[in-house]
Amino acid sequence: DGGITQSPKYLFRKEGQNVTLSCEQNLNHDAMYWYRQDPGQGLRLIYYSQIVNDFQKGDIAEGYSVSREKKESFPLTVTSAQKNPTAFYLCASSYAPGELFFGEGSRLTVL
Amino acid sequence: KNQVEQSPQSLIILEGKNCTLQCNYTVSPFSNLRWYKQDTGRGPVSLTIMTFSENTKSNGRYTATLDADTKQSSLHITASQLSDSASYICVVSAGGSTLGRLYFGRGTQLTVWP
Repeated sequence: DGGITQSPKYLFRKEGQNVTLSCEQNLNHDAMYWYRQDPGQGLRLIYYSQIVNDFQKGDIAEGYSVSREKKESFPLTVTSAQKNPTAFYLCASSYAPGELFFGEGSRLTVL
Repeated sequence: KNQVEQSPQSLIILEGKNCTLQCNYTVSPFSNLRWYKQDTGRGPVSLTIMTFSENTKSNGRYTATLDADTKQSSLHITASQLSDSASYICVVSAGGSTLGRLYFGRGTQLTVWP
């Protein structure tokens, strides 16, 4: 089945550690996105990539990094510089502007 | 300022009843509007997409309306089921030079009781 796979589903991190969230898609979409979701807030864009080897900062990129070495993969690293990383992270891909297909999400908790 | 406001913030209804969720936006220029359903702990799933020229679109028991003049959209759920319990998110896509820029509402949390 075509879709977007995020892993892990749940992740715990100690303060000062970097963690990487995986996002893989087999939909052959060019564009991929990372969003952060906090309770009571709308989704906020962290990073996006419209083509391999190119990515752009979103609205809340500080403390995060990404790479896009393959069309299918868009991993997100939450660095120790992110002061409040506990959140639900959503990866999405699209074939047309605004037409998003989301993964199942990864919940990161800082201990 | 481009914004998307949803109401109510939360809603509780009994199984079998109908309900209507509201979305007001100030995004300009407007390209399209989508409603997503997000089950707890899952990713959002698209329910409908409304373009400027459409004022009503149905997807099973879900019916979305759009009034581009007043910049309002609604999502009507008919004969609610327990599985309708979820967060419903309104997303507006901008046009023009910002084509594809998305603005997210905070969602309406719907709970359906048996």
